[in-house]
Order: sequence, then structure tokens, then C-alpha cells
Amino acid sequence: QVHLVQSGAEVKKPGASVKVSCKASGYSFSSYYMHWVRQAPGQGLEWMGRINPSSGNIYFGQKFQGRVTMTTDTSINTAYLELTRLQSDDTAVYYCATLTAGVYPGDEWGQGTLVTVSS
Amino acid sequence: SSELTQDPAVSVALGQTVRITCQGDSLRTTYASWYQQKPGQAPVLLIYTQNNRPSGIPDRFSGSTSGDTAFLTIAGARAEDEADYYCRSRDSSGNHLMFGGGTKLTVL
Repeated sequence: QVHLVQSGAEVKKPGASVKVSCKASGYSFSSYYMHWVRQAPGQGLEWMGRINPSSGNIYFGQKFQGRVTMTTDTSINTAYLELTRLQSDDTAVYYCATLTAGVYPGDEWGQGTLVTVSS
Repeated sequence: SSELTQDPAVSVALGQTVRITCQGDSLRTTYASWYQQKPGQAPVLLIYTQNNRPSGIPDRFSGSTSGDTAFLTIAGARAEDEADYYCRSRDSSGNHLMFGGGTKLTVL
């Protein structure tokens, strides 16, 4: 069974950085993109980008280029999202997801990680 | 255009049929997927590649497209269908995904 388990909630001050992890199990981690999606409180879903764990190739959503880093460690089947120079409007739940609807491993989401940016 | 537009809120009477729309240029060439999200939960895929349902999704949920607009139809709405619904598609390059702004469905 496919599982994505994310790291716990974080509270950060403006200007700081945060790194969220997403540990995958139950499928071949290196063979499928990992996507990151965020959702600000009371707002909609926002696609941040995706990474190919095998090649490291990344596509970013337009507004996230420059402040966002996506990496993977295939030895431990874990993806990471790092966001720098945090601002209050970065307060959101951050999800990792496979988004391979209709084919293995399917459309699976992590439980979400709440990142709160507050002075 | 790289946007998907949804009505912010829609309501439906219990047992009736409701259609939720998602409009965007990308939908002329790519299929939409649809998600349901309840408070405090991750989104759940309802429909992919226009009108396919993952295992466990009731056939009350169906998808279709006309021109630049995708539709999610819920037949026989139930109280448990009250949730936020999001469409998802990709841009013309195929490399960037995007979500609609979401539609809050109220079941009366």
C-alpha cells in the first residue's frame, strides 16, 4: 500500500527557512514524480512544482521559482521541500503527492504539514 | 491562459443533481481531474482523464468536457457531498499543473 508520511508542523519567523520532508513507501520511489501542493488557510490548492527523483529534474510553478528547492534522497525514499525567505503569506499546509491518477502508484497525498510564519 | 476558473460556491437540494464547472483554455487540449476536499483532510481524487473514477468512488460522480469547460456532475446529492471541489489540469507544455480556485458545495 502506498503511503506518504510528512514531517510535523513548523513555526518560523519571517525571513527564516523551512524544510519539509515526505517519506514514501509501498512503491518504486525513484520511478515517479513527486509533486508539492500548498494550501493557505481558507484558500485553494496551489501547485508548487514537481521533481523527478531519479534525475533530479524539476518543474516549478511560476511564482515559486527562486525561493523553493525540491530535492530527494532515493536511498531513504524521501522527498524534501525547502522554502527560504519566508513571509507571512507562506503560512499554509504543504502536501506532497504522487498525482499519477489512473496508473500505479495512483493519486496519493501526504497528510500535510502546517507551516506557520509569524513574528 | 494558464488559469482554471471555478464558481466559488454552489448549492444543491438533497437528492438533486448538481454540476460544477471549471473553465480554462487548457481544457481545450487536456483533460481535467476533479478532487473533493473536506475540512482538515487531504484532497481525494474523484475523476481523472475526464470521466474515469478511481476504485471506491461512487458512480454518482461523473465528468465531462465541452470546449474550454469541464464539468463535474454529482447525481443524487447527499449530505456527505458537502465539501470543496477542485479541478486540475496541466498547461500546454504538459509540464506544469494547475488547480482551479475551488467550489464550495452546500447541500440544502
